[in-house]
Amino acid sequence: KQEVTQIPAALSVPEGENLVLNCSFTDSAIYNLQWFRQDPGKGLTSLLLIQSSQREQTSGRLNASLDKSSGRSTLYIAASQPGDSATYLCAVWAAYSGAGSYQLTFGKGTKLSVIP
Amino acid sequence: KAGVTQTPRYLIKTRGQQVTLSCSPISGHRSVSWYQQTPGQGLQFLFEYFSETQRNKGNFPGRFSGRQFSNSRSEMNVSTLELGDSALYLCASSFRSGNTEAFFGQGTRLTVV
Repeated sequence: KQEVTQIPAALSVPEGENLVLNCSFTDSAIYNLQWFRQDPGKGLTSLLLIQSSQREQTSGRLNASLDKSSGRSTLYIAASQPGDSATYLCAVWAAYSGAGSYQLTFGKGTKLSVIP
Repeated sequence: KAGVTQTPRYLIKTRGQQVTLSCSPISGHRSVSWYQQTPGQGLQFLFEYFSETQRNKGNFPGRFSGRQFSNSRSEMNVSTLELGDSALYLCASSFRSGNTEAFFGQGTRLTVV
């Protein structure tokens, strides 16, 4: 059974700092990996999708890397801003029973607070 | 391009009642998945529909069911509600699950009293 772990569970940093969020998964037979952001009481906003053949993906101040063999992904946030405060969720796409069916398995998230 | 729309946003129900939640995916997306989010368990997969067929179901009791219509809109139903069913229910839309990006709606907050 796939398990996804995110460390740390919570992180508080001063504005302007660069930071790294970590994600690990137990089964390397993943299809893709996706990072999300969730604001309190809201839905999930997709940040980056890394396909299994890719090593990294960039969007603005965000950079995500994927190492399938070691079961790890990192999300790098450059020059953090108070508006980045949210919970960041890592999720892996993997195939399960049922032809052509995939599902996301999520970590518990890292709650980020950026202090002005 | 409209995003994923979930209705209603909030619901309060009494134990033993049943409830139906609705999800309209992004236009052109054929895969709709449902997830339950609680503080203790995090996000857990409920089921996935593709072209009106349930392709996959998570480890939830039979009280949880769903369906998908020909226009890809999906509904999920929970019968005989229990206090533990209180959660944020999230719907995800993707063109084809697995290798395309999933987009989530704002969720339906269900409170069972």
